[in-house]
Amino acid sequence: DIQLTQSPSSLSASVGDRVTITCRASQAVGGYLAWYQQTAGKPPKLLIHGASTLQSGVPSRFSGSGSTTDFTLTISSLQPEDVATYYCQKYNSAPLTFGGGTKVEIK
Amino acid sequence: QLQLQESGPGLVKPSDILSLTCTVSGASIGSSTYYWAWIRQPPGKGLEWIGSVSSNWGAFRTPSLKSRVNISVDTSKNQFSLRLSSVTAADTAVYYCASHPAVIYYFDYWGLGALVTVSS
Repeated sequence: DIQLTQSPSSLSASVGDRVTITCRASQAVGGYLAWYQQTAGKPPKLLIHGASTLQSGVPSRFSGSGSTTDFTLTISSLQPEDVATYYCQKYNSAPLTFGGGTKVEIK
Repeated sequence: QLQLQESGPGLVKPSDILSLTCTVSGASIGSSTYYWAWIRQPPGKGLEWIGSVSSNWGAFRTPSLKSRVNISVDTSKNQFSLRLSSVTAADTAVYYCASHPAVIYYFDYWGLGALVTVSS
């Protein structure tokens, strides 16, 4: 099965900072990569699919890039409401797997 | 707007069967447009996809749980269900129901989640 490795596992940044999270797949997944945001006590929320397509209603400070095995989620200007854990998910084939998560905090 | 809500016992004994139901509103469970899925998250840990089902396209499950998992659809009630047999403490988790498009498998709608604890 394809494994997804996210880095870093956690980070602390200041409001307004640019934040980058990476997701590396153990085998090629094409562009079939999604990103989710999970705030405390809530279900995950879809942010990006197709590696770079922003889900409707998601602020434009979020962006995704990458293909094949290496992907990036970027928050261009970190806001207090972005405190959350972020997960990548590959969906090129079953099993549908998630990365281990990246916890983002405000410094 | 599609909405999903989990229901079921919050406490299950070891070796028993964990049963959860997800009630769907805003779409027909019989639609060929969606798959209906279960995902779980142990306390303080990451997300694990359990399996997905469609009344049109069948079901598929994660290999590690395949022998213990049954996912089914009840079109008369617009619900789908999860049954996980021979549970242990390792099955303690928040269980989410979710949906994904039938042809592309990212999860666009989620329920709020239901905590199930396995304990005697």
